[in-house]
Amino acid sequence: LAKTTQPISMDSYEGQEVNITCSHNNIATNDYITWYQQFPSQGPRFIIQGYKTKVTNEVASLFIPADRKSSTLSLPRVSLSDTAVYYCLVGAAGFQKLVFGTGTRLLVSP
Amino acid sequence: GAVVSQHPSWVICKSGTSVKIECRSLDFQATTMFWYRQFPKQSLMLMATSNEGSKATYEQGVEKDKFLINHASLTLSTLTVTSAHPEDSSFYICSASPGRQDGYGYTFGSGTRLTVV
Repeated sequence: LAKTTQPISMDSYEGQEVNITCSHNNIATNDYITWYQQFPSQGPRFIIQGYKTKVTNEVASLFIPADRKSSTLSLPRVSLSDTAVYYCLVGAAGFQKLVFGTGTRLLVSP
Repeated sequence: GAVVSQHPSWVICKSGTSVKIECRSLDFQATTMFWYRQFPKQSLMLMATSNEGSKATYEQGVEKDKFLINHASLTLSTLTVTSAHPEDSSFYICSASPGRQDGYGYTFGSGTRLTVV
């Protein structure tokens, strides 16, 4: 299982773009990169998933370089409600267990 | 789609009693589900992998006799904390995946806050 490394915490202000980078040097060929968001006392919520290059959905973008050893979650124009912990995980979809790293605690201030 | 329901959302029990937590996949079948535990300000820690129709696989350091897992159907897995003690107080979360690699990843339940008094 690929181990991930993320910054422990990040601070931002409302309206700014936030980029959270995750390192996963040992990613396997069949591994996908998935980001989750977790609010206190709630289960993690799926944000975005990608395999290579760039993926964009209505809430975020995910940038993955060619070597796939890292990835960057980009949150455009964050709001106070984006204050949460963000986890980067790598693994094959289906039945492979997911092992969580420390996650990044994002604090958005007014 | 891919909704996982977890019940109860919170429970308070007396020390020495047992508590059962249910995890249901509402709109897909899940032959495999996962159980996590999370202490305050910490990350999720994988406890065990629940396999439909067979024994669960426990992570190192997790007492299988204390945390009983039953996965009797393709949509339901249960975690029973037996003879609970205050140190078992934690946030328990289950997850499952419909097995697609099309951007859905794993879906998590809303979690169960267990407080043992």
